[in-house]
Amino acid sequence: NAGVTQTPKFQVLKTGQSMTLQCAQDMNHEYMSWYRQDPGMGLRLIHYSVGAGITDQGEVPNGYNVSRSTTEDFPLRLLSAAPSQTSVYFCASRTGTGGNTEAFFGQGTRLTVV
Amino acid sequence: SQQGEEDPQALSIQEGENATMNCSYKTSINNLQWYRQNSGRGLVHLILIRSNEREKHSGRLRVTLDTSKKSSSLLITASRAADTASYFCATDESGSGYALNFGKGTSLLVTP
Repeated sequence: NAGVTQTPKFQVLKTGQSMTLQCAQDMNHEYMSWYRQDPGMGLRLIHYSVGAGITDQGEVPNGYNVSRSTTEDFPLRLLSAAPSQTSVYFCASRTGTGGNTEAFFGQGTRLTVV
Repeated sequence: SQQGEEDPQALSIQEGENATMNCSYKTSINNLQWYRQNSGRGLVHLILIRSNEREKHSGRLRVTLDTSKKSSSLLITASRAADTASYFCATDESGSGYALNFGKGTSLLVTP
């Protein structure tokens, strides 16, 4: 079982470059989310989606775009990378069916912006 | 915004001892969940407690929930070195259960 797969695992970008962090899940989950994790800050929600074609902003959305064209995929795009976006990014998914469900996480993407 | 706030931020104990960490939150919730993160890895779900439950057990884990105080605690009994990790509480807010809100975590170190 693949679960939630994130690629790449590591990435170094130069300031101003753009890139897409990939996230795919094979559990047919409706809900998907992106978080960033910084030292001492815990996980902060960037964007989330409740189904294909539906996305919404979380706590720290600036500088990031998302789309959800399929149930399986939820890519996160950095439009113009800044050093403040250096972080570890986690994608998560959970089913919306029945409520009170747990989230499944990918292994993370460690991004450094220089 | 971030919902949960764990306490303490860091905890160091010896193998065999119990570890207790606390979580406080701000709004009404459907449930509260605890996750574990080993260094450099993704988060793994440990246990979920619903808003109408007061206590729940899973193996060596015991979770309590006090909705009147908006607080929860996670107890790990008979800790092992392998329990060394960061532990996060996450709330599933009433009316918006799409994404979980995480606290800043408790870093647990269990020494042999």
